[in-house]
Amino acid sequence: AQKITQTQPGMFVQEKEAVTLDCTYDTSDPSYGLFWYKQPSSGEMIFLIYQGSYDQQNATEGRYSLNFQKARKSANLVISASQLGDSAMYFCAMREWGAQKLVFGQGTRLTINP
Amino acid sequence: DSGVTQTPKHLITATGQRVTLRCSPRSGDLSVYWYQQSLDQGLQFLIHYYNGEERAKGNILERFSAQQFPDLHSELNLSSLELGDSALYFCASSGPDEKLFFGSGTQLSVL
Repeated sequence: AQKITQTQPGMFVQEKEAVTLDCTYDTSDPSYGLFWYKQPSSGEMIFLIYQGSYDQQNATEGRYSLNFQKARKSANLVISASQLGDSAMYFCAMREWGAQKLVFGQGTRLTINP
Repeated sequence: DSGVTQTPKHLITATGQRVTLRCSPRSGDLSVYWYQQSLDQGLQFLIHYYNGEERAKGNILERFSAQQFPDLHSELNLSSLELGDSALYFCASSGPDEKLFFGSGTQLSVL
């Protein structure tokens, strides 16, 4: 069964610092995809970044990068040069390619302090 | 803007009532997913449609039903509403790259 674990319920970071949000996953399927979403207080779910299990390089999207360590089943999100607007809930999610759904972790609430 | 449109944004209704949530996927996306987000359950997968056909069911109650129409928009019908059905309901769509893009959600309050 799929499982996503986000061990940090909340994080507080100073503006302009880099931040790493942890995510570990559990799957026996060799083919899967890992996703990160941002949910600000307004409620929408914003797609940030995607990593496929066969991708050789870590995914990057602007200030977001995904630190993918396949052997450790880890897919941490790194946000460089954090901004006040980065304050939000962040969800890690996984989809096995035989499955028809995305499974989410419980989320990490990130607060950026000025 | 994700390109996925959900209406209405907010819905307030009473127990026992029936409501319909609507979703228009991104242009070209054939897959539509429905998720429920509540404080105690987190994000729960409800159902997936692909090009009009149901592909997978998750933790969807029998009081809930969904369909995807020929123009690919989808509706989620919630009936005999209970207080515990109050939640944020998301629709998401995906294309060939399998990345899911979410709508802004419908906040349902059952009073």
